[in-house]
Amino acid sequence: KNEVEQSPQNLTAQEGEFITINCSYSVGISALHWLQQHPGGGIVSLFMLSSGKKKHGRLIATINIQEKHSSLHITASHPRDSAVYICAPYNTDKLIFGTGTRLQVFP
Amino acid sequence: ETGVTQTPRHLVMGMTNKKSLKCEQHLGHNAMYWYKQSAKKPLELMFVYNFKEQTENNSVPSRFSPECPNSSHLFLHLHTLQPEDSALYLCASSQGGLAGDQQFFGPGTRLTVL
Repeated sequence: KNEVEQSPQNLTAQEGEFITINCSYSVGISALHWLQQHPGGGIVSLFMLSSGKKKHGRLIATINIQEKHSSLHITASHPRDSAVYICAPYNTDKLIFGTGTRLQVFP
Repeated sequence: ETGVTQTPRHLVMGMTNKKSLKCEQHLGHNAMYWYKQSAKKPLELMFVYNFKEQTENNSVPSRFSPECPNSSHLFLHLHTLQPEDSALYLCASSQGGLAGDQQFFGPGTRLTVL
């Protein structure tokens, strides 16, 4: 079993829909990153959080350390949100990466 | 534009070739990282440099040789690679050397080994 599990693995949505991507992990962590990877490879760090909730524009990330679970929400999704979203908990001294959720948003 | 550049963006090499990947960060960060991303696999950390000192070598084969001449530049020297080394190689930097710091990624070099 992987230390980091993301669900769903693939997700398609219509423009405007509310999107939720889930991340569960099995190790103790002190923080968690959400990353966005566009076609072509470039990765952008979206959030780093260790408790509660953070919001940036249409993106919201939440984490429950006790339940070892984090979610990434996208409100009013848009085709430009199409990307792979990667959850990366920080355990001890390194990031552990999930395999990612591939999101496609259609107009 | 994240402030981290990588060259080349694409590289095709034979198994007997020697090539180098270059990464440069313009953010004044002190830590730099090499990652490998193979198809359908999670990102794998290869090397970490903190203040030009290598602090992590994640059991990477010796055919990959990193070099960090200063805090702004990072190289990955490649020699006698195998086809299974074909992947996207990503460089990142962060302010400090802790993985909990926000990391800024370059666009990656897509490597194909024939």
